[in-house]
Amino acid sequence: QQPVQSPQAVILREGEDAVINCSSSKALYSVHWYRQKHGEAPVFLMILLKGGEQKGHEKISASFNEKKQQSSLYLTASQLSYSGTYFCGTELSGNQFYFGTGTSLTVIP
Amino acid sequence: DVKVTQSSRYLVKRTGEKVFLECVQDMDHENMFWYRQDPGLGLRLIYFSYDVKMKEKGDIPEGYSVSREKKERFSLILESASTNQTSMYLCASSRQGAEDIQYFGAGTRLSVL
Repeated sequence: QQPVQSPQAVILREGEDAVINCSSSKALYSVHWYRQKHGEAPVFLMILLKGGEQKGHEKISASFNEKKQQSSLYLTASQLSYSGTYFCGTELSGNQFYFGTGTSLTVIP
Repeated sequence: DVKVTQSSRYLVKRTGEKVFLECVQDMDHENMFWYRQDPGLGLRLIYFSYDVKMKEKGDIPEGYSVSREKKERFSLILESASTNQTSMYLCASSRQGAEDIQYFGAGTRLSVL
């Protein structure tokens, strides 16, 4: 029931774009995205509710395809400050919530 | 500012010791969680609590127990620490719904020798 994220790790140069995918085998009610910088607590980025909406946060946006049980996080024109580990969190029926396997993102100058 | 505080950033214990990890939140949240973070495995739920004295097992509860005597405090207990429990432990809290944002502590890195 833990969602699978891909890629597991990615290295980008500043200004490049990246996509992180989160895929579940179960029907989803909502998807959360969190970022954890090295040595720090994970921090909430955004939530996507059922309905296929797309949300944005600075140059980071996400989509939610409930039919495919997938969400994608889009990072455009990446900055050094985007480095960290990104986690999706998926809400299933019955108040169940699972975090994904994580994606390590490194942005280099 | 919301705050989740874990009592220790680093702990080193010996095999067989009883270990207590403490977590305190100041947001009056109903839900509290303990996760374990390992490379490639993401965040895995050990236990969560939705109210004082209430607890539910997560995905990997074996070898762990929890205690929630007060709303703001949630403790994780390793009854007899083993080397395979060496990991990063993260505490989180949220309001009542599963869709609610989770606020995390900075984590405790536990090494069991």
